[in-house]
Amino acid sequence: EPEVTQTPSHQVTQMGQEVILRCVPISNHLYFYWYRQILGQKVEFLVSFYNNEISEKSEIFDDQFSVERPDGSNFTLKIRSTKLEDSAMYFCASSPQGAIIGEQYFGPGTRLTVT
Amino acid sequence: DQQVKQNSPSLSVQEGRISILNCDYTNSMFDYFLWYKKYPAEGPTFLISISSIKDKNEDGRFTVFLNKSAKHLSLHIVPSQPGDSAVYFCAASDTGTASKLTFGTGTRLQVTL
Repeated sequence: EPEVTQTPSHQVTQMGQEVILRCVPISNHLYFYWYRQILGQKVEFLVSFYNNEISEKSEIFDDQFSVERPDGSNFTLKIRSTKLEDSAMYFCASSPQGAIIGEQYFGPGTRLTVT
Repeated sequence: DQQVKQNSPSLSVQEGRISILNCDYTNSMFDYFLWYKKYPAEGPTFLISISSIKDKNEDGRFTVFLNKSAKHLSLHIVPSQPGDSAVYFCAASDTGTASKLTFGTGTRLQVTL
């Protein structure tokens, strides 16, 4: 069964450094998302992406964040200058055109630790 | 901003019995509701969904009930199995495809032998 994959599974970085989290969505899906979950808190929406542009973003997704689909398969989340509070699990998700109720399929996540 | 609430952080049920997980929401604009299951070190897995025009949706052992007037939904698992032990998240969206999901805080279900 096709699945969303994410790399790396765990990223440790120092405050102020740039990180790029990578995702390969399910191949025939057209909608892409990033969510994050800070330890002990709920899963929060960051951004959605369709047709090579951002469809919606949350207030968390400030100028330090950017997304890109550099080729036909990868979808990346870049954090330009990481802060301690960016430490979280980051989940990529995708959904197909015509998903009945917009069900989204999630990857296993990247644990980002900012020290 | 607690638009989707799961008031029970944990639930323990015996194998073979019914598990009932509850979820409340406050945003009247939500039209679609989904349940996800999450195991440790994995991403949320889509389980079952319902649109606001229905009050019940069934898929095997899983049934979701929606009470729009009460802004309440529930997930029933019958019969519960040890492999169902996981964290269950309720999520909602307002426009279906390509819409962001707003998640609850989750309920940890433990199915005991």
